[in-house]
Amino acid sequence: QVQLQESGPGLVKPSETLSLTCTVSGGSVSSGSYYWSWIRQPPGKGPEWIGYIYNSGSSKYNPSLKSRVTMSVDTSKNQFSLKLRSVTAADTAVYYCARGITVFDYWGQGTLVTVSS
Amino acid sequence: EIVMTQSPATLSVSPGERATLSCRASESVSSNLAWYQQKPGQAPRLLIYAASTRATAFPARFSGSGSGTDFTLTISSLQSEDFAVYYCQQYNNWPPLTFGPGTKVDIK
Repeated sequence: QVQLQESGPGLVKPSETLSLTCTVSGGSVSSGSYYWSWIRQPPGKGPEWIGYIYNSGSSKYNPSLKSRVTMSVDTSKNQFSLKLRSVTAADTAVYYCARGITVFDYWGQGTLVTVSS
Repeated sequence: EIVMTQSPATLSVSPGERATLSCRASESVSSNLAWYQQKPGQAPRLLIYAASTRATAFPARFSGSGSGTDFTLTISSLQSEDFAVYYCQQYNNWPPLTFGPGTKVDIK
């Protein structure tokens, strides 16, 4: 059974960088069959796709966030990561990591990140 | 960007009754549509993909239909564990992948 777990600070100051890591167990980020994604959900709203990364390092991001997002993968630790720069209050959300490129069959439990001074 | 809308925002249903949820895309997404179920404090769970293919974890009382711009999720006989928020998501024309705002199914 594949499990994903997000980790990172729950509070980030405005203009700083949000950094999260997703640790995968029961599966491998190196698997050629799967892509790994980040999705966020502002309180009381629908999910918003942030982007995906593949084990080769290739990635694709939501155009609305593209200028601020970087994703990376660490196959030695079986992890992938998200960095979102220059955050504002509008970036406050539950951040999920998930398996998949277009449809997401396994999700982490999510981590609430609040942007506030 | 394809905009997804869902109706109604809230659907009040009695246990054992049928629930019909609608999802509409701002342009055709063919059959490239998924549905997710989300319960409070939990991540969304994949319920339906390719508009009508049910994920293995879900029982046959859940069914999806539609193509193009109009889609329906039907729960034939609501059970207590089905009360949740349901989101549709298109993956035909991306980036970005886009989700709807959700329909909350609550107890009447």
